[in-house]
Amino acid sequence: SQQGEEDPQALSIQEGENATMNCSYKTSINNLQWYRQNSGRGLVHLILIRSNEREKHSGRLRVTLDTSKKSSSLLITASRAADTASYFCATDSTDSWGKLQFGAGTQVVVTP
Amino acid sequence: SAVISQKPSRDICQRGTSLTIQCQVDSQVTMMFWYRQQPGQSLTLIATANQGSEATYESGFVIDKFPISRPNLTFSTLTVSNMSPEDSSIYLCSVADSRGYTFGSGTRLTVV
Repeated sequence: SQQGEEDPQALSIQEGENATMNCSYKTSINNLQWYRQNSGRGLVHLILIRSNEREKHSGRLRVTLDTSKKSSSLLITASRAADTASYFCATDSTDSWGKLQFGAGTQVVVTP
Repeated sequence: SAVISQKPSRDICQRGTSLTIQCQVDSQVTMMFWYRQQPGQSLTLIATANQGSEATYESGFVIDKFPISRPNLTFSTLTVSNMSPEDSSIYLCSVADSRGYTFGSGTRLTVV
């Protein structure tokens, strides 16, 4: 079963704007990851944040993790049309290393 | 990270038949998993492929429907048996090791 809940389910923005999506989970985790998927194709790993980290940056991506609230957010700054995709959070729980529980996903559309 | 070759990339199959999906990893990995992504949905873990022993299935998935082989630490197969249109999905293998998490490119299965 899916552990993570994501919101919003869908997000439509214009190029240059920032996109923020949130993920909540239920169990204790080793890490939380964000993935991108374009039109039902393969998953692209974006960023991994460990349970002892609170914030991480990678290029235009910023991820935060609040283990007390069991939540994470992904911020994409200065969005581009190429950022149009579905974004999924995934958690690796402390009781089952390697097995990922995925959130429902956020569908992001960036219009030129 | 590991590199995975997953085959076939897509297939259209008749109901009642079976399809075997293969994943070859470029290095030995202990943890290997199979996921299903139904149309418009997120990824759900089917099972953990255990080398030299029977796979460990998640709730809702059974060996008769999704037999899995793992003859060594670099290779695994997933068979979707006695297919029905409800089995139309993307199936992905994944590995996890000290270098991180890697997904195969997926097999898009359509059952007609």
